[in-house]
Amino acid sequence: GENVEQHPSTLSVQEGDSAVIKCTYSDSASNYFPWYKQELGKRPQLIIDIRSNVGEKKDQRIAVTLNKTAKHFSLHITETQPEDSAVYFCAAPLYNNNDMRFGAGTRLTVKP
Amino acid sequence: DAGVTQSPTHLIKTRGQQVTLRCSPKSGHDTVSWYQQALGQGPQFIFQYYEEEERQRGNFPDRFSGHQFPNYSSELNVNALLLGDSALYLCASSRDLNTGELFFGEGSRLTVL
Repeated sequence: GENVEQHPSTLSVQEGDSAVIKCTYSDSASNYFPWYKQELGKRPQLIIDIRSNVGEKKDQRIAVTLNKTAKHFSLHITETQPEDSAVYFCAAPLYNNNDMRFGAGTRLTVKP
Repeated sequence: DAGVTQSPTHLIKTRGQQVTLRCSPKSGHDTVSWYQQALGQGPQFIFQYYEEEERQRGNFPDRFSGHQFPNYSSELNVNALLLGDSALYLCASSRDLNTGELFFGEGSRLTVL
């Protein structure tokens, strides 16, 4: 989506290291920011999301942080495992959550 | 709960032909969004249907059209196919827009020759 920029496009880490993926969005009215994981040949699946009324949310090894002033949010994966290898997409709504726009994706490779 | 189901899973068409893709949303969901995902790219928003009407549309030409039925299922139609229409077409359903979570189907992979 043209209003969501995601980087890096590829990321390779050693097992056990942390991985960080960043996204920026353009619509200041956006208030919901999900992250999806897509394994090869499979559907995108929601792994974590955050709303604009909080700055950080954690779920075990995964966390998302949000900076509304700067209009960017990040995905943090700690203690990475080979099964974390996949393509990760951030997304942000364009109009009142009716139109979810996706970033171009980050291909994460976790080397054992 | 079968989740979001799409058909067909794969299909091959030639340039100029027309295609119809189908989607059944997750039980309890009333909103269906369609996305085009080219190889190595993120999903691109095509349009969204709610209450049998197109509510929002992305930057896609009129060759792309859709429909939603009273049972909330949906169809995506693409006319005058181009080689560049080759992609994975994903359907996503949602129930409460304030929740925002999209549930995706496995997609329909279209190849245009």
